[in-house]
Amino acid sequence: GNSVTQMEGPVTLSEEAFLTINCTYTATGYPSLFWYVQYPGEGLQLLLKATKADDKGSNKGFEATYRKETTSFHLEKGSVQVSDSAVYFCALSSIKAAGNKLTFGGGTRVLVKP
Amino acid sequence: EAGVTQFPSHSVIEKGQTVTLRCDPISGHDNLYWYRRVMGKEIKFLLHFVKESKQDESGMPNNRFLAERTGGTYSTLKVQPAELEDSGVYFCASSHFGQASNEQFFGPGTRLTVL
Repeated sequence: GNSVTQMEGPVTLSEEAFLTINCTYTATGYPSLFWYVQYPGEGLQLLLKATKADDKGSNKGFEATYRKETTSFHLEKGSVQVSDSAVYFCALSSIKAAGNKLTFGGGTRVLVKP
Repeated sequence: EAGVTQFPSHSVIEKGQTVTLRCDPISGHDNLYWYRRVMGKEIKFLLHFVKESKQDESGMPNNRFLAERTGGTYSTLKVQPAELEDSGVYFCASSHFGQASNEQFFGPGTRLTVL
């Protein structure tokens, strides 16, 4: 079955540091890949997505590239801010016509200190 | 436009009691999903509705869980009787019908604690 593995946290960084959160997946076919973020006290929000190999998703300074050869979708940001403190979830979706369920990784808590 | 809402935000019950969680999806979204996160582990899929029909309920853990979506609008998830291992955060999400990569919009979750 499908599975997602992401690095465990917590990850503690100083403001303006470089952030990488590793994510690898196992799936049949060609899944779509997502990063969701959960800020304190809020629900999950889609951060970025990629739907095919070599696609790069980007949003709010975050980027992730769909690497089929390494089955990875690592999240990166060049200079983090305190407001980036949150839990980040890597996820994939099975391709179905009518909609699809998400398979999530375990989440990585990121704490950015001023 | 209102987002996905869930009620209650928190629920504390005793083992053996019944709890009903409610989800109101974004208006016009035919797809509705339930997920849960137990003990800080990964978020796991429970089931998927397309309008009022259950499309996929492969993630439902056992027959103590019952989900409904009467009329294809809001959905309820009932746990009866609740057990300790049911504690966790229950998320609801909705999306448009059609594209496989459609974004799922999540609610804030209901934190369930079973004592």
